[in-house]
Amino acid sequence: KAGVTQTPRYLIKTRGQQVTLSCSPISGHRSVSWYQQTPGQGLQFLFEYFSETQRNKGNFPGRFSGRQFSNSRSEMNVSTLELGDSALYLCASSRTVSNTEAFFGQGTRLTVV
Amino acid sequence: ELKVEQNPLFLSMQEGKNYTIYCNYSTTSDRLYWYRQDPGKSLESLFVLLSNGAVKQEGRLMASLDTKARLSTLHITAAVHDLSATYFCAVDGTYSGGGADGLTFGKGTHLIIQP
Repeated sequence: KAGVTQTPRYLIKTRGQQVTLSCSPISGHRSVSWYQQTPGQGLQFLFEYFSETQRNKGNFPGRFSGRQFSNSRSEMNVSTLELGDSALYLCASSRTVSNTEAFFGQGTRLTVV
Repeated sequence: ELKVEQNPLFLSMQEGKNYTIYCNYSTTSDRLYWYRQDPGKSLESLFVLLSNGAVKQEGRLMASLDTKARLSTLHITAAVHDLSATYFCAVDGTYSGGGADGLTFGKGTHLIIQP
């Protein structure tokens, strides 16, 4: 059974650019959540999507956005990148929104220079 | 605002010893998770605790949940080097009534087990 797949694994971008990260959940899972991990702030919830609808959103600026497609794959976009956006971005897959367990992908390491 | 506090944040111990990691959270919730993260890797799900008094064990690790005390513990028995990693507890804010969404994580316990 394939796990959660995130692409790309590594990215280097310049300040002011935008970036799109992709996440393919486990087959049959319909909920996708995104988290940002940094040494200073730890793991922080970005947003959750279920059935192509954003269900919850964390405390991040509007530069961070996402979407989910009909096949449950999700993308997150960060516009006008700042140095502080450098982080490991993790995607988590759950069967439903009320599911008891979230499975995480390998993450995308974003470096903003 | 839901807050999750882990302690200790750093733990160095010898193989064969026992130790406990504590996870306190600030609002009512009956869904708590423990994850393991190796350097440069993603999060691996260890335990899902869904009710007061829940206890789960896997190998040398045992996790418990006391929702009344808002406390979960991860106990390590006879530690071995392979258990060296960072351990996170996370509370599902959706069910906490505290207004938080998604999983709220503790800062993690960096565990080093020395031979």
